[in-house]
Amino acid sequence: AQKITQTQPGMFVQEKEAVTLDCTYDTSDQSYGLFWYKQPSSGEMIFLIYQGSYDEQNATEGRYSLNFQKARKSANLVISASQLGDSAMYFCAMKRTQGGSEKLVFGKGTKLTVNP
Amino acid sequence: EPEVTQTPSHQVTQMGQEVILHCVPISNHLYFYWYRQILGQKVEFLVSFYNNEISEKSEIFDDQFSVERPDGSNFTLKIRSTKLEDSAMYFCASSDWTGNNSPLHFGNGTRLTVT
Repeated sequence: AQKITQTQPGMFVQEKEAVTLDCTYDTSDQSYGLFWYKQPSSGEMIFLIYQGSYDEQNATEGRYSLNFQKARKSANLVISASQLGDSAMYFCAMKRTQGGSEKLVFGKGTKLTVNP
Repeated sequence: EPEVTQTPSHQVTQMGQEVILHCVPISNHLYFYWYRQILGQKVEFLVSFYNNEISEKSEIFDDQFSVERPDGSNFTLKIRSTKLEDSAMYFCASSDWTGNNSPLHFGNGTRLTVT
């Protein structure tokens, strides 16, 4: 079974600084996808970034980058130059990609607070 | 940018009543999902739907739940007889295929309150 672990229930960062949100996963699959979603206080789920298990390079999307360490089974999200609007819940999720379930399995989330 | 639309944004119902939550997925997407999030907890998978049938469902998705795609655009979740513990945010999501780089696009959710 797939499992996502986010060990930081809450994180604080000063505006304009970088922050890393941790995510480790457990799977026996060879092919899988890792995703990060942002959930502001308004409740919607916003897709941020994706990393494939076979991707050799770390994914980047603007200020978001994913520090993927396959041997350690970790997929940490790095947010550079934090902004007040980055304050939200962040969820790491994993998807099996071949011959099986199409569902995303989510971690419990990390609440990020950006201080001015 | 196309988006998943959910209505209503908030639904209040009495225990034992039936509710139907509505979703309009992104128009060219083929795979549809329902998730729920009990307040303060993680997002849980309920059901996935493809080619007019359920492809997978979780233990939560018991006989009280059903999904339907009544026409070419809507995707509904029905809870036949609501319980207090069904109070949660319900998210509809869609994706265009099930490859490893296809994210699920979520709607803004329907907050269901069962009293």
